Amino acid sequence: AQTVTQSQPEMSVQEAETVTLSCTYDTSENNYYLFWYKQPPSRQMILVIRQEAYKQQNATENRFSVNFQKAAKSFSLKISDSQLGDTAMYFCAFMKSYYNNNDMRFGAGTRLTVKP
Amino acid sequence: NAGVTQTPKFRVLKTGQSMTLLCAQDMNHEYMYWYRQDPGMGLRLIHYSVGEGTTAKGEVPDGYNVSRLKKQNFLLGLESAAPSQTSVYFCASSGQTLTGELFFGEGSRLTVL
Repeated sequence: AQTVTQSQPEMSVQEAETVTLSCTYDTSENNYYLFWYKQPPSRQMILVIRQEAYKQQNATENRFSVNFQKAAKSFSLKISDSQLGDTAMYFCAFMKSYYNNNDMRFGAGTRLTVKP
Repeated sequence: NAGVTQTPKFRVLKTGQSMTLLCAQDMNHEYMYWYRQDPGMGLRLIHYSVGEGTTAKGEVPDGYNVSRLKKQNFLLGLESAAPSQTSVYFCASSGQTLTGELFFGEGSRLTVL
């Protein structure tokens, strides 16, 4: 079974600075998909960024980027120029395939606070 | 844009009572899911459905039942609530697209006394 580990229960960062959230996972699969979801205080979870394991290039979405290290099974999220609206719970997630997306596994989450 | 809507958003039950959570999506998605979120444990899949009339067990199905009589609705039932079922419940849906993205509802906070 796949497991996802987020070792940082809470983090904080000053506005406009950069922060990196860590995620590791365990799998025997070669092809899979990784995600970072954001859950703001309003609670509705939204997708931040995704990475396909077969792609070597790290995914980026505006201020959000990932550092995907397949051999190390590591998938960290970097938030640049942090904004107050980035305050949220962040969940790392793993999925074996798009056609088996009942098998999405989530980490325990990292609570990020952006301070003014 | 409604997206995924859950009702009710809050509910307090006594041990042994029953209740149903309703999830409705207006995106014509094939897949629907019920997760529970507990502190320090992330989201865990309770049941899911890959289409109208089909349901399947997830990671933590015991004590719950589900039904998907209509494509847009996915119901989660608790027949005899227990304090261990105190949690925040999230419904999600996804389409048959090559994105893997789940669309979530706002959550339903259930307290069982």
